[in-house]
Amino acid sequence: AQSVAQPEDQVNVAEGNPLTVKCTYSVSGNPYLFWYVQYPNRGLQFLLKYITGDNLVKGSYGFEAEFNKSQTSFHLKKPSALVSDSALYFCAVRYPGSARQLTFGSGTQLTVLP
Amino acid sequence: SAVISQKPSRDICQRGTSLTIQCQVDSQVTMMFWYRQQPGQSLTLIATANQGSEATYESGFVIDKFPISRPNLTFSTLTVSNMSPEDSSIYLCSGSGRTEAFFGQGTRLTVV
Repeated sequence: AQSVAQPEDQVNVAEGNPLTVKCTYSVSGNPYLFWYVQYPNRGLQFLLKYITGDNLVKGSYGFEAEFNKSQTSFHLKKPSALVSDSALYFCAVRYPGSARQLTFGSGTQLTVLP
Repeated sequence: SAVISQKPSRDICQRGTSLTIQCQVDSQVTMMFWYRQQPGQSLTLIATANQGSEATYESGFVIDKFPISRPNLTFSTLTVSNMSPEDSSIYLCSGSGRTEAFFGQGTRLTVV
């Protein structure tokens, strides 16, 4: 069964510092991996995805993520955090052979401190 | 990216009543799903909405409680039936293209 873990419920970082939100996955084969962001009282917004190819993927709002097959990780990163990045971040996985529904991690609340 | 329109955006309902949530997607979407996000929790898949046939429900969710329709490719409804306070959640419609999935803004349901 496919699953994804976000080991940190909460990440705090100072504005201007680099940020990392961690995600590891457990799925056979070659997974599709995604990051979504949820602002208060809003739906989920797609940030980026890894399907195949270059392990470093770039997404919206200056975010990027690195697919690491040996460590089964897909950490979300940004070189310089903004206060407006404060939100709830979800990692998700889909196995290519599945019916396209996503399995979500538990979410990480990112707070960027001014 | 695909456009997913969901309504209502929020509602407060009396226990024992039912609420129907509507979801409209654009033509880029091939598959539609309904998720639930309980307070402080992650998203859990309720069911896959199948066009013109019964939805495919995940373990723990049943048609009598969450009837779903999808009469055509771009429209689906989820009904939360005989509501109780435990049904207070955000309900999200999702449309999936070939690779990524897109989400509506969600329906925040409070049952009192």
